[in-house]
Amino acid sequence: DTEVTQTPKHLVMGMTNKKSLKCEQHMGHRAMYWYKQKAKKPPELMFVYSYEKLSINESVPSRFSPECPNSSLLNLHLHALQPEDSALYLCASSPRDQTTNEKLFFGSGTQLSVL
Amino acid sequence: AQSVAQPEDQVNVAEGNPLTVKCTYSVSGNPYLFWYVQYPNRGLQFLLKYITGDNLVKGSYGFEAEFNKSQTSFHLKKPSALVSDSALYFCAVRLGSSNTGKLIFGQGTTLQVKP
Repeated sequence: DTEVTQTPKHLVMGMTNKKSLKCEQHMGHRAMYWYKQKAKKPPELMFVYSYEKLSINESVPSRFSPECPNSSLLNLHLHALQPEDSALYLCASSPRDQTTNEKLFFGSGTQLSVL
Repeated sequence: AQSVAQPEDQVNVAEGNPLTVKCTYSVSGNPYLFWYVQYPNRGLQFLLKYITGDNLVKGSYGFEAEFNKSQTSFHLKKPSALVSDSALYFCAVRLGSSNTGKLIFGQGTTLQVKP
């Protein structure tokens, strides 16, 4: 299994809703990432978990809350989002921590629309 | 400041012709350089990377890239383009000596291959 699986593929939510994005990998990777991507733009790093501990938070607003329950699973909890948060949210993983030269494996993303 | 530049928003090429997608970087220290491709409504897929050694790197789907230290460039090439190569291409650099290992993406280049 060489895939990073993200669910749901599409999500529409109101500004008062609470929702969660889920990411799963079974490659034994120990680093997992959340990126935000606007259309035709490069991905922007949000969070990095290394060995299940949060190692990077790129000054992301608190309405985004990451969680890494175990080494295979990464969640992104969403609450009170703004319309400008609408984007493709990508999860990625790499074998060891983020300081190595290894490639990232990306999921297909969750397309989020905030109304 | 560390940065990656992709000077062309879009590259158009006829099927069967050679293609080049340009990338230049500005970093201090030894860079780890990557190319990723993104097809519509998908996550990024790794194409190739340069860490050290031979300046010509071969990757997936017949792509290759040449690391040129004096010109600080890492251009992506393919001898004969296919219509299916049409996608969004991102160059990225990861700092070899950085303790965060953050991946810095260029702005992306859309490759359009016409039949």
